[in-house]
Amino acid sequence: SYVLTQPPSVSVAPGQTAWITCGGDNIGGKSVHWYQQRPGQAPLLVVYDNSARPSGIPERFSGSNSGDTATLTLSRVEAGDEADYYCQVWHNSGDPPVVFGGGTKLTVL
Amino acid sequence: QVQLVQSGAEVKKPGSSVKVSCKASGGTFSSYTISWVRQAPGQGLEWMGRLLPILNMTNYAQKFQGRVTITADTSTSTAYMELSSLRSEDTAVYYCARMVSTHLYYFDYWGQGTLVTVSS
Repeated sequence: SYVLTQPPSVSVAPGQTAWITCGGDNIGGKSVHWYQQRPGQAPLLVVYDNSARPSGIPERFSGSNSGDTATLTLSRVEAGDEADYYCQVWHNSGDPPVVFGGGTKLTVL
Repeated sequence: QVQLVQSGAEVKKPGSSVKVSCKASGGTFSSYTISWVRQAPGQGLEWMGRLLPILNMTNYAQKFQGRVTITADTSTSTAYMELSSLRSEDTAVYYCARMVSTHLYYFDYWGQGTLVTVSS
């Protein structure tokens, strides 16, 4: 099965930039999607297809994907961005075909 | 605007079954792909399977094959996930989510989640 690897935690001061990585074998050849999950809430799509933003998601959220690493970038971090973040891909030849990373806890200092 | 509303929390005995519902509003339900994703306490997200009602097509993760059944009633725009032979490790929040099933395969709308507790 395909494995996505995320750092368990990332810390950032308010107003700074946070980078959350998602590693996978040749992940640059896949479309990567990112979800934000605040405590007690359902996941929320924040980036899809590597770098596209759904309606209503601030421009502070951006994504990139190349080689073996995809990255979610949060600029001008706010206290409200503190949450768990998950990457996800579709791996057509594997089981399960929907793969999530293990999640990264973003802490705003 | 699509909205997915799930049934309430359940407490089940080991060995029993649970059936969770997910009622959709907005959009054309029969053309959705609905997936079920679960999250054990303090853990990450785990995909269980999907259903495309218009084709009555299902796919399940091998881990759950034989124990999970995803169905839908298009007349009420409601999807269901039934998990049988429950064990303590199935204690989790179960989410339904609409899956964008073009070549991208991501989840754009999620239900609020249903906590299923398996305990003797």
